[in-house]
Amino acid sequence: ELKVEQNPLFLSMQEGKNYTIYCNYSTTSDRLYWYRQDPGKSLESLFVLLSNGAVKQEGRLMASLDTKARLSTLHITAAVHDLSATYFCAVDWEYGNKLVFGAGTILRVKS
Amino acid sequence: DAGITQSPRHKVTETGTPVTLRCHQTENHRYMYWYRQDPGHGLRLIHYSYGVKDTDKGEVSDGYSVSRSKTEDFLLTLESATSSQTSVYFCAISPTGGYGYTFGSGTRLTVV
Repeated sequence: ELKVEQNPLFLSMQEGKNYTIYCNYSTTSDRLYWYRQDPGKSLESLFVLLSNGAVKQEGRLMASLDTKARLSTLHITAAVHDLSATYFCAVDWEYGNKLVFGAGTILRVKS
Repeated sequence: DAGITQSPRHKVTETGTPVTLRCHQTENHRYMYWYRQDPGHGLRLIHYSYGVKDTDKGEVSDGYSVSRSKTEDFLLTLESATSSQTSVYFCAISPTGGYGYTFGSGTRLTVV
């Protein structure tokens, strides 16, 4: 059974600071997704990482994937208030189109 | 969300009553999923479908059933709703072979 662990679960940051969210998973997979969710809203796709060593960047967010370590990171650079949201990583399992989610990281950026 | 709609958006129901949630897609995707979202648990898979009349259980399927009689519709039924099924339910779709999931807007269900 695939387990996906995110940490931290809650992150309070000052504007302008950098931080990293970690996503560990327990079985082999080479498809990993990062989503953003605003309160009361649906999930917005941020990144899809499809191979070992994949790195993708969009604005102040950068995601990477190390399939050997079964680890993905979401790095936040110079945080701004608009980045406040809940961030989920999710791992595609069995190549059978099953997505298993981490518990989510609630990010609060304080000015 | 483009191509996928959930109904109703909100529902309050009494314990012991049956409830059906609907997911409708216009993308002709093969795979459809039902997830529930609860604080501290992320999203957990309830059931999924890989084609018309082809469904399988997910991680938290007890107390739920599904049906898919047409490509575009995937129904989730709570046979006898309980307070533990109070949650936000999300439908998702994926094309054959994966590489992308699209989520609906969610249904907030409250069982009183």
